[in-house]
Amino acid sequence: GDSVTQMEGPVTLSEEAFLTINCTYTATGYPSLFWYVQYPGEGLQLLLKATKADDKGSNKGFEATYRKETTSFHLEKGSVQVSDSAVYFCALSDAGSSNTGKLIFGQGTTLQVKP
Amino acid sequence: GAVVSQHPSWVICKSGTSVKIECRSLDFQATTMFWYRQFPKQSLMLMATSNEGSKATYEQGVEKDKFLINHASLTLSTLTVTSAHPEDSSFYICSAGRVSGNTIYFGEGSWLTVV
Repeated sequence: GDSVTQMEGPVTLSEEAFLTINCTYTATGYPSLFWYVQYPGEGLQLLLKATKADDKGSNKGFEATYRKETTSFHLEKGSVQVSDSAVYFCALSDAGSSNTGKLIFGQGTTLQVKP
Repeated sequence: GAVVSQHPSWVICKSGTSVKIECRSLDFQATTMFWYRQFPKQSLMLMATSNEGSKATYEQGVEKDKFLINHASLTLSTLTVTSAHPEDSSFYICSAGRVSGNTIYFGEGSWLTVV
């Protein structure tokens, strides 16, 4: 079945460092890909998404490009801030499904940014 | 602010008892809500799709008699863990989507500890 694999955390960086969180997926068909973020004590929030190959999702300085050839959707940010400390989830939904709420998640990666 | 709210955020219950978790959409109607569970250091796994006015659709391997889902109104879905056991201790999170759009909102999640 479909699955998502993320790099294990925690990832600890200093402020202004470059961030990469790897995400690869296995899916039949052509899924949509998402990154969600969960700040402490809050629900998951959509960070960015891409619905087809070569699309780049971006938001708040974060970017991820849908790479069909490598089945990847790595999250990047050029300069992280302390406020970016959170848990990041990569997810996919089956583009062929009419149920857009049914997501398959990676295990989450905790990011800690130190001043 | 939050558009999907869960309650309670934390709950501790004794083995053999039942516990109810509520998921509310605060400013929109949701005909469909989704319940996920996350064990430590693992992915969020979809448990069931909650359909307003009809029976929930459970994912393979999820016991419908143990995890009772009721979606009696367009703004409220409840998950009741019946005869809870320590292995049911987990993080439960719900999501809901606006009928008119394709954005999914997540609740804050509920930590259940069964002792």
